Parts: sequence; structure tokens; C-alpha cells
Amino acid sequence: DAKTTQPPSMDCAEGRAANLPCNHSTISGNEYVYWYRQIHSQGPQYIIHGLKNNETNEMASLIITEDRKSSTLILPHATLRDTAVYYCIVRVALYDSNYQLIWGAGTKLIIKP
Amino acid sequence: EAGVAQSPRYKIIEKRQSVAFWCNPISGHATLYWYQQILGQGPKLLIQFQNNGVVDDSQLPKDRFSAERLKGVDSTLKIQPAKLEDSAVYLCASSTQNTIYFGEGSWLTVV
Repeated sequence: DAKTTQPPSMDCAEGRAANLPCNHSTISGNEYVYWYRQIHSQGPQYIIHGLKNNETNEMASLIITEDRKSSTLILPHATLRDTAVYYCIVRVALYDSNYQLIWGAGTKLIIKP
Repeated sequence: EAGVAQSPRYKIIEKRQSVAFWCNPISGHATLYWYQQILGQGPKLLIQFQNNGVVDDSQLPKDRFSAERLKGVDSTLKIQPAKLEDSAVYLCASSTQNTIYFGEGSWLTVV
């Protein structure tokens, strides 16, 4: 079962920051939050991940609340090519350093000119 | 660096026929995954390999689905016999310690 809740869709104006929320209230202490996106007809693309500290890379920033029950993915200057389905995912640890990603339904983000 | 390779990209078969999908992971990645993604839903894990051993196949419908990774590199996913509800994208992925990388997927339509 999915461990995350996201709004089904969002709009954002081109050039503005896109802020995608995610609720993961049942997350455990050693479970990471991952974000992927999927552009139509392509495989999912890794964006960013974090445990409890905020993270930033060349694609996005990830803000995780202090209680770790929710997070926000920020695309600082959205472009039309950022239109995609964005998945907030919890990474569950298995044995022998293995792990799995538990996917939800995602948020369809539409960037408007 | 080459990504995860999958073939065929598209396949249309009739119900009760069989189909096989092939995956070549990123070089050096010990862990390989097969996911099923039905239109409008997130990917669902079917099977996870660590080298040539199975880590988790609890969601693989074993009466019709099978997968193997005999030499710990390439993998094949087979469906026999196919049902209409098997129409989906079959995604192969491989991972490092922290990141799972996906292929473009194999689109299956069962008619």
C-alpha cells in the first residue's frame, strides 16, 4: 500500500516556482523520501531524495518538515518541459542493504505559458 | 553512461498468447527490478533481483508471469498466457546504493 498522499493535479505558470506537497504521516525513522517524475511515454526519472535534512540539487529542492510527516518538492523556475506526473515515494529498507520504493498515484503538474 | 535498455518497445498480442520482455541493466548494478504500470497509476513492483537471486516476488502472479536473471546481468520477464488486464507498461530498473534508474518501458496491449 502507498505510504504517501499527493494532490492529483496542479497548475503552475511558466517561470514561477512549482511547489508540490506530499503527506507521509506514517513514515518510519529510517525511511527516505524520494521524488521521481514521469513524462508521457517515458520511464520515471529520478529527481531528489532525503531523510530529514533539506536537500538541493540541479533539478530541485526538497523541504522535509521537522516531524517528517510531510515534504515539498520545489522546482524553482518551472518550464514547459517540467509538465509531468511527479511521484513522492517512501523508500522501505529490506534485508542485506536492499530497498524498495512504495509508489502512490502521483501529482500531474501542468506548466502553463 | 548507458542507461537501462529494454525491448521490445511496443507489443500487441491476443489474449492467451505469450510474450517476453528483455532488460539489460546499467553496467555494475547488482539489483534489478521489474515493475508493471497500468495507465493512470504508479508503478507496481513485480519482482526484485539481487544478482541472480530473487529478493522479492510477492506481487508476481506466478500462475502466468515468470522472470529470470540467470547470469546476474540481463533479465527476461515472460507472460503466458496473457490476459486483457495485463495491458500495461512493463518497466525494468536497476539500482545503485541510493538511486533506482528506469528504462523507457515495454508497452503491452492484449486484445
